[in-house]
Amino acid sequence: KAGVTQTPRYLIKTRGQQVTLSCSPISGHRSVSWYQQTPGQGLQFLFEYFSETQRNKGNFPGRFSGRQFSNSRSEMNVSTLELGDSALYLCASSLEPGPFYGYTFGSGTRLTVV
Amino acid sequence: QKEVEQDPGPLSVPEGAIVSLNCTYSNSAFQYFMWYRQYSRKGPELLMYTYSSGNKEDGRFTAQVDKSSKYISLFIRDSQPSDSATYLCAMGRGAGGTSYGKLTFGQGTILTVHP
Repeated sequence: KAGVTQTPRYLIKTRGQQVTLSCSPISGHRSVSWYQQTPGQGLQFLFEYFSETQRNKGNFPGRFSGRQFSNSRSEMNVSTLELGDSALYLCASSLEPGPFYGYTFGSGTRLTVV
Repeated sequence: QKEVEQDPGPLSVPEGAIVSLNCTYSNSAFQYFMWYRQYSRKGPELLMYTYSSGNKEDGRFTAQVDKSSKYISLFIRDSQPSDSATYLCAMGRGAGGTSYGKLTFGQGTILTVHP
């Protein structure tokens, strides 16, 4: 059974550009969450999607957005990149929203903003 | 003050030692308590999952939750070099709230088990 797949694995972007990251959840999982991981702040929740609708959003500026498609695949977008956006972006999937079913994480996309 | 506090370590122990990892939290709404293990260049992997207070054992791993003290622990018995990783505690709220799907993580503890 394939795990959570995130593409690309590594990305280098210039300040001011925008970037789109992709996440394919485990087959049958309908909930997808995104987290940002940095050495200083640790893992921080960005947002969660279920049935193509954003259910929860963390405390990040509007430059961070996402969407979910009918096949449960999800993308997140960061516009007007800043140096501080350099981080590991992790996607997690679950059967349904909420911690009851447990979340499985992908290996992440390492974004470097220069 | 952060909702979840975890000693970042690093923690270095000899092979075979018992390891104790801990987190404290301040939000009484947390009902789900998890421990994740993260190897370098990998995503977090769910190790243990507990709902509400109590103990749970799985092989060499034991998770304890004390909601009255807002304190959770993970014990690793007979630690192995392959246990060397970052261990993250994570907590989730009960159903019904708008933040039901959000996990709040500790900073992570870096563990090294040397032969």
